Amino acid sequence: TQLLEQSPQFLSIQEGENLTVYCNSSSVFSSLQWYRQEPGEGPVLLVTVVTGGEVKKLKRLTFQFGDARKDSSLHITAAQPGDTGLYLCAGASGSSNTGKLIFGQGTTLQVKP
Amino acid sequence: DTEVTQTPKHLVMGMTNKKSLKCEQHMGHRAMYWYKQKAKKPPELMFVYSYEKLSINESVPSRFSPECPNSSLLNLHLHALQPEDSALYLCASSITGLAGNYEQYFGPGTRLTVT
Repeated sequence: TQLLEQSPQFLSIQEGENLTVYCNSSSVFSSLQWYRQEPGEGPVLLVTVVTGGEVKKLKRLTFQFGDARKDSSLHITAAQPGDTGLYLCAGASGSSNTGKLIFGQGTTLQVKP
Repeated sequence: DTEVTQTPKHLVMGMTNKKSLKCEQHMGHRAMYWYKQKAKKPPELMFVYSYEKLSINESVPSRFSPECPNSSLLNLHLHALQPEDSALYLCASSITGLAGNYEQYFGPGTRLTVT
């Protein structure tokens, strides 16, 4: 069974601080998605990483896919209150043709002004 | 346009009621999904439709009945639910359910409360 372990589960920081969220597995994924979800809303796709070692930047967010495609990280620079939400990583297995995603447990981020 | 719409936004129903949740996308996606999500937890997959055919049922109780009338629409029929079924129900779609096309776009969800 493929699992994605996401850490930390909860993070409360002050505005302007930096943070990193990790998503780790013993399994190889063909791609990995990061989503952000605000309370009462659906997850919003932030980025997809596909190639081992790939780094993608989205304004103050930097996403990295591990060389072996077993892990990923999300780094936020100078966090703002608008970054508050639930961050989810989700991996896709290349051996599956069902479109089924394996979700991490999520990181709840609170950025205080 | 990466929009998936869901109605209603909120639903309160008794345990003997029958209700339906609706989901619609006009992105030409051929895979559609139903998820159940509890507070501060990741979404749990319930059903996957691929090319209008049910391809995955994650052992969901029969009181939840999915339907895919066409490639743009997905329904979830609810009957005789239990209070523990209260949750946020999310619909999602992707280009296909095949390898290499895994980006899923989620709707805003229906907040369901069973009394």
